[in-house]
Amino acid sequence: EVQLVESGGGLVQPGRSLKLSCVASGFTFSNYGMNWIRQAPGKGLEWVAYISSGSSYIYYAETVKGRFTISRDNAKNTLYLQMTSLRSEDTALYYCARHVLGAGAYWGQGTLVTVSS
Amino acid sequence: DVVMTQTPVSLSVSLGGQVSISCRSSQSLVHNNGNTYLSWYLQKPGQSPQLLIYKVSNRFSGISDRFSGSGSGTDFTLKISRVEPDDLGVYYCGQGTQYPWTFGGGTKLELK
Repeated sequence: EVQLVESGGGLVQPGRSLKLSCVASGFTFSNYGMNWIRQAPGKGLEWVAYISSGSSYIYYAETVKGRFTISRDNAKNTLYLQMTSLRSEDTALYYCARHVLGAGAYWGQGTLVTVSS
Repeated sequence: DVVMTQTPVSLSVSLGGQVSISCRSSQSLVHNNGNTYLSWYLQKPGQSPQLLIYKVSNRFSGISDRFSGSGSGTDFTLKISRVEPDDLGVYYCGQGTQYPWTFGGGTKLELK
């Protein structure tokens, strides 16, 4: 069974940093690209970043470019999102999602990031 | 960026009925490789989104044949037949043809 478990969220002050993790199981993690997708409270879905299976290709949304860094450790079956210079508008539930054929095929349960003073 | 526009914003349906949701993109979703990466997701209350349809019309693993996707270019439709209580929630279309991926604003399916 495919499982994605996010962690690392919490309450953080504006301008500070936070690192999210997503541990994968039930599939060969190193074979798949991965995405981070977020959802602000009561709002729709916003794609954040993508990393290819071997980390050769990385893309970011303009809203986070230069502040967020996506990475992965295939030996640990873990995806990361390093977030710096956090803003109130970054407050959201952050999901990791396995990439298959241009879609998010499997999603974790999400980890909540709240940016507030 | 590709803008995805979903209509309607909300939809009321009777159990056993049929509904259609429309999704339009601001530009063609045909990739250079010939594929069209348009997907549909359902987010049930309190849950993560789940993939229903990928590449316009392909049902994801375990998805009922009551769900069907169609369309091409910039116009796409999701049809749900014989609506069941477990189908209620918010439906999103999304494009994966180009980065950044973008999603429609969602369509909330409720019981009449």
